[in-house]
Amino acid sequence: EAAVTQSPRSKVAVTGGKVTLSCHQTNNHDYMYWYRQDTGHGLRLIHYSYVADSTEKGDIPDGYKASRPSQENFSLILELASLSQTAVYFCASSEAGGASQNTLYFGAGTRLSVL
Amino acid sequence: GQQVQQSPTSLVLQEGENAELQCNFSTSLNSMQWFYQRPGGSLISVFYNPSGTKQSGRLTSTTVIKERRSSLHISSSQITDSGTYLCAMVWNQGGSAKLIFGEGTKLTVSS
Repeated sequence: EAAVTQSPRSKVAVTGGKVTLSCHQTNNHDYMYWYRQDTGHGLRLIHYSYVADSTEKGDIPDGYKASRPSQENFSLILELASLSQTAVYFCASSEAGGASQNTLYFGAGTRLSVL
Repeated sequence: GQQVQQSPTSLVLQEGENAELQCNFSTSLNSMQWFYQRPGGSLISVFYNPSGTKQSGRLTSTTVIKERRSSLHISSSQITDSGTYLCAMVWNQGGSAKLIFGEGTKLTVSS
């Protein structure tokens, strides 16, 4: 079965600090995504990537950077964490872009609290 | 921009009752998916349903593209059905497709 692993599962960060969320997939999928989930907003796409060493902006990229050093790994970087970035972050992978017939496989999520 | 509206926001049922979840889209769409999210957990794809009716066990999804809506019917609900159900539209943009999610319906099934 497809596997997407996120680390850490939860993190408390200080305002202005740097945070890195990691994602690893063993599905051999080309596409990887980072979403955030907030109460009242559902899931929103932050960044995505369809090939190693390349990333694309999603719908809410401001304040976030992404890195795809290999097909298996995709990181989300908050250079200067802010209170508004407190949320649950999900990584996902798919065989093709946007999961037409190829569904997204999600990680378990990372709960980030910025204080 | 594109919007996905889900209703109801929350639903409380007794075990054995049926549930009907609705999803409406603000624009035309190529396809849609239903996801199930365990309490505090990850998301699992339940249905990929571009149009028509699909059934899997006690779950039935019906999508009417021209009316920009989809529904998820859960029959004879069980306690283990509790969680959040999210729908997402597949939106084509710039040569690639992406998912736009609704806010979800939180389902609680009690004995």
